[in-house]
Amino acid sequence: EPEVTQTPSHQVTQMGQEVILRCVPISNHLYFYWYRQILGQKVEFLVSFYNNEISEKSEIFDDQFSVERPDGSNFTLKIRSTKLEDSAMYFCASTLRDTNEKLFFGSGTQLSVL
Amino acid sequence: DQQVKQNSPSLSVQEGRISILNCDYTNSMFDYFLWYKKYPAEGPTFLISISSIKDKNEDGRFTVFLNKSAKHLSLHIVPSQPGDSAVYFCAASMPNNDMRFGAGTRLTVKP
Repeated sequence: EPEVTQTPSHQVTQMGQEVILRCVPISNHLYFYWYRQILGQKVEFLVSFYNNEISEKSEIFDDQFSVERPDGSNFTLKIRSTKLEDSAMYFCASTLRDTNEKLFFGSGTQLSVL
Repeated sequence: DQQVKQNSPSLSVQEGRISILNCDYTNSMFDYFLWYKKYPAEGPTFLISISSIKDKNEDGRFTVFLNKSAKHLSLHIVPSQPGDSAVYFCAASMPNNDMRFGAGTRLTVKP
């Protein structure tokens, strides 16, 4: 079965540094998402992306965050100046249609900000 | 933001018995509900869903029940198997596809 892939699986960075989390969604999917899960807490929606622009974003997704689909396959999440509280597992997800279709999640990138 | 609540952080059942995982929601705008299963070091995987116009959806050993008046849904797994041991997330989606997740319930099925 096709899958969403995320790299790296673990990322350690210093506070204030920029990080880019990478995702390759399923090839024919059109809608892309980033979620995060802080250790011990629930999965939180960050942003959805369709047709090369942000469709929805949560209050977590402030000016420090940005997303990009630089080519036909990658979908990236950039955090410009990381904070300690950005430490979390970040999940990328994709779906074919915007009709409550089930999301296919990647296995996540564990981000640790020191 | 506690629009979706899973009040039981953990549940332990014996193999072969029924597992019942519960979820409550507060936002009446939710029109679609999903359950995801998550193993350690993996992303959540879709399990089963239900539209708000239905009250039951069944897929093999998994059945989801929706009680709209109580804003409550539950996932029944019967019979439970050790491989079902995982964290189960309840999710609710609005018409704009904004999805909210519960905190998860860790299910342990003992052989």
